[in-house]
Amino acid sequence: QVTLKESGPALVKPTQTLTLTCTFSGFSLSTSGRRVSWIRQPPGKALEWLARIDWDDGKFYSTSLKTRLTISKDTSKNQVVLTMTNMDPVDTATYYCARAGSGTSDAFDIWGQGTMVTVSS
Amino acid sequence: DIVMTQSPDSLAVSLGERATINCKSSQSVLYGSNNKNYLAWYQQKPGQPPKLLIYWASTRESGVPDRFSGSGSGTDFTLTISSLQAEDVAVYHCQQYYSTRPTFGQGTKLEIK
Repeated sequence: QVTLKESGPALVKPTQTLTLTCTFSGFSLSTSGRRVSWIRQPPGKALEWLARIDWDDGKFYSTSLKTRLTISKDTSKNQVVLTMTNMDPVDTATYYCARAGSGTSDAFDIWGQGTMVTVSS
Repeated sequence: DIVMTQSPDSLAVSLGERATINCKSSQSVLYGSNNKNYLAWYQQKPGQPPKLLIYWASTRESGVPDRFSGSGSGTDFTLTISSLQAEDVAVYHCQQYYSTRPTFGQGTKLEIK
């Protein structure tokens, strides 16, 4: 069974750096074609893709947020980590990690439950 | 970035009736070399993450009821629920994965009339 779970602080202050960890099981990020992305959703708003890391350590970032984001993986721990610098109240959202590259398509076939992050002083 | 625009923003349909949601991309998501449309549909119920319904614009994910169907090509796509059930109340999102930077539509809220 494939699962992903996000973890990180529920509350961060403006200007702080957010670090989120996605811990997954049931697949390996060493397998060719596998990808894990971070996606966020402000309350009542649309989904926004943030960043992606591939099996071969390829990394891709949102055009609008790329200066603030860093994605990395620890294959031995089955974890993907996202850092976002200079947090602002507009970054308040539920943050999801999701798998793509299941072998059938690059759609996000499995999602974590999400972690809500509030940015407030 | 490819902009995805859904219509309508919200929709109310009677139980047993057909529901249709549209999605338009700002550029084609049809990849010529394999003739596949890099377009997915997701269902999101309150308090839950999105669930993949359809990929390649028209292929149902395993376990998805056959009342859900996807159609379209290039820049214009449609999600159809042939006979609305109470459990289909949700927000539906389209998403392109043609680009290395995927983008989502703004979502369509589907309710019971």
